[in-house]
Amino acid sequence: GAVVSQHPSRVICKSGTSVKIECRSLDFQATTMFWYRQFPKQSLMLMATSNEGSKATYEQGVEKDKFLINHASLTLSTLTVTSAHPEDSSFYICSARDFGQGSGNEQFFGPGTRLTVL
Amino acid sequence: QKEVEQDPGPLSVPEGAIVSLNCTYSNSAFQYFMWYRQYSRKGPELLMYTYSSGNKEDGRFTAQVDKSSKYISLFIRDSQPSDSATYLCAIPSGSARQLTFGSGTQLTVLP
Repeated sequence: GAVVSQHPSRVICKSGTSVKIECRSLDFQATTMFWYRQFPKQSLMLMATSNEGSKATYEQGVEKDKFLINHASLTLSTLTVTSAHPEDSSFYICSARDFGQGSGNEQFFGPGTRLTVL
Repeated sequence: QKEVEQDPGPLSVPEGAIVSLNCTYSNSAFQYFMWYRQYSRKGPELLMYTYSSGNKEDGRFTAQVDKSSKYISLFIRDSQPSDSATYLCAIPSGSARQLTFGSGTQLTVLP
């Protein structure tokens, strides 16, 4: 149980274009999903908390107009990187909490999306 | 002071060795503690979670929490080359139980 998928797994785009990344919980409903960014040889940095049916909560320093998050259903959250630039190149990972497992605090992660902006 | 600090490594051990991975945390109110394993270019995978102090064992893995010293550990017995990965400690906090991760320890188990 507790499987999270992400699509696409890898994307290469030109500077100035927008990229949408999808995160789905496959076998459970997730009212809360999280988006992380990870640079090479670094730990995961939380970008935002995505809440179903309401606005996302962004971490300090993360531009909400650049990283648009939509959580329209209990199984899908999307992250859109708008007007991407080379410095946005990174590994983006989503996660979801499954309240029905364990303590309810555990997050289950997707496989990640590697974004390269040329 | 960071909320969660982790021994950075990298760590290289021979196959069959016992591995000890460690983190410290600053907030005494933390009660849940998790360990994730991340293979290169993959998302983290939940290994174990523990609540409060004590030990929890799952196969070759043992998670240990010492709340008095704010110290958490993950032990791997009979380490295998397939255990080679980055190990991350994580602690949930905040209203949405956001995870704060340690910096990760890269482990290599040599055959």
